Amino acid sequence: DIVLTQSPALAVSLGQRATISCRASESVRSSMHWYQQKSGQQPKLLIYGASNLASGVPARFSGSGSGTDFTFTIDPVEADDIATYYCQQSRNDPLTFGSGTKLEIK
Amino acid sequence: EVQLVESGGGLVQPGRSLKLSCLASGFTFSNYGMNWIRQAPGKGLEWVASISSSSSYIYYADTVKGRFTISRDNAKNTLYLQMTSLRSEDTALYYCASNYGGYYFDYWGQGVMVTVSS
Repeated sequence: DIVLTQSPALAVSLGQRATISCRASESVRSSMHWYQQKSGQQPKLLIYGASNLASGVPARFSGSGSGTDFTFTIDPVEADDIATYYCQQSRNDPLTFGSGTKLEIK
Repeated sequence: EVQLVESGGGLVQPGRSLKLSCLASGFTFSNYGMNWIRQAPGKGLEWVASISSSSSYIYYADTVKGRFTISRDNAKNTLYLQMTSLRSEDTALYYCASNYGGYYFDYWGQGVMVTVSS
């Protein structure tokens, strides 16, 4: 199984840039996707195919990377962005998620 | 508006069975792959099973293979998950989610809770 490694938490000031990383245990090419999950809500797709913005998602969110190293960026961070962010790979079966990065405001 | 509404959850004893349903609306259900993803209390997301639009392709996580069965009825716009031989580690919030094109999940339901306990 492909293991996706994320840092557990990140604290950022409002208006600054937040960068979340996801490292895959083997190459997933560009088959990496990012989700936002706010407390008590279902996850929401933000980025698919490593860098494609999902429909209706603000351009403050972006993604980059390929192979094993991926980055998800929020710039600038707003108060409404407080959530846990998950990466997910679809290169290999089984589909796997990272353990999530909790974004906190300083 | 896209809506996915799960139902059928509840408290069940270990070893028993339960069937979840997910009613879809607001999109052409028969054109989308569908999936079940679960989240144990306070934990991360775990993919459970996927089914293609015409049911031709079905995949399961190893943790549920042989115990869970995913199916769909395109005439009823409904996705199912038949769960048997339930274990305490199956306790989770179960989400249904759609996928179109690639295996990423574009729409999610609110989730239904399954608690396996004696």
